[in-house]
Amino acid sequence: KAGVTQTPRYLIKTRGQQVTLSCSPISGHRSVSWYQQTPGQGLQFLFEYFSETQRNKGNFPGRFSGRQFSNSRSEMNVSTLELGDSALYLCASSLTSGRYNEQFFGPGTRLTVL
Amino acid sequence: KQEVTQIPAALSVPEGENLVLNCSFTDSAIYNLQWFRQDPGKGLTSLLLIQSSQREQTSGRLNASLDKSSGRSTLYIAASQPGDSATYLCAGAGAGSYQLTFGKGTKLSVIP
Repeated sequence: KAGVTQTPRYLIKTRGQQVTLSCSPISGHRSVSWYQQTPGQGLQFLFEYFSETQRNKGNFPGRFSGRQFSNSRSEMNVSTLELGDSALYLCASSLTSGRYNEQFFGPGTRLTVL
Repeated sequence: KQEVTQIPAALSVPEGENLVLNCSFTDSAIYNLQWFRQDPGKGLTSLLLIQSSQREQTSGRLNASLDKSSGRSTLYIAASQPGDSATYLCAGAGAGSYQLTFGKGTKLSVIP
């Protein structure tokens, strides 16, 4: 069974631009969560989508948004990029939403903002 | 709010040694605790998941335990190998949220 895939793997943008990242979960998984990883803050939760609905949201500004499609694929958008948005963005999929579900991570998208 | 701490931040051991990585959490009403491995610049690989009703899980040379009363989890690696070198992260979901809260990780180096 194929794992979680993320595209693109690397991105370079300039301040003020916007970016869209894509995540395809493991087949049959319906929940997708997004995380930001930086050297200083570690891994921080952005949001979770289940059945095309945002279930949970972390403490990030409104510039960070996402959506989920009917096939469970998810996209994350960051508008008006700032230097501090440079990070590894990871998505994780699980069978369903909820605390008991094991999460499986993709390889990440490395975003560099210049 | 769940907080997760991993000490030490880095650990270096000679090949063949058995070792223990520590993870502590503040919310004893933890629902599950998951251990991950991360290689440099890569995503996270799930190693073991311990659900709240369980005390430990084993996979090959890895054994993870969960003690909710003390707020601690440990990952035991037997007969370490250079290929075990990576950053190990623990993450838990507490009573107040579905999201995983991560520790900062322990960077393990196994010296041949």
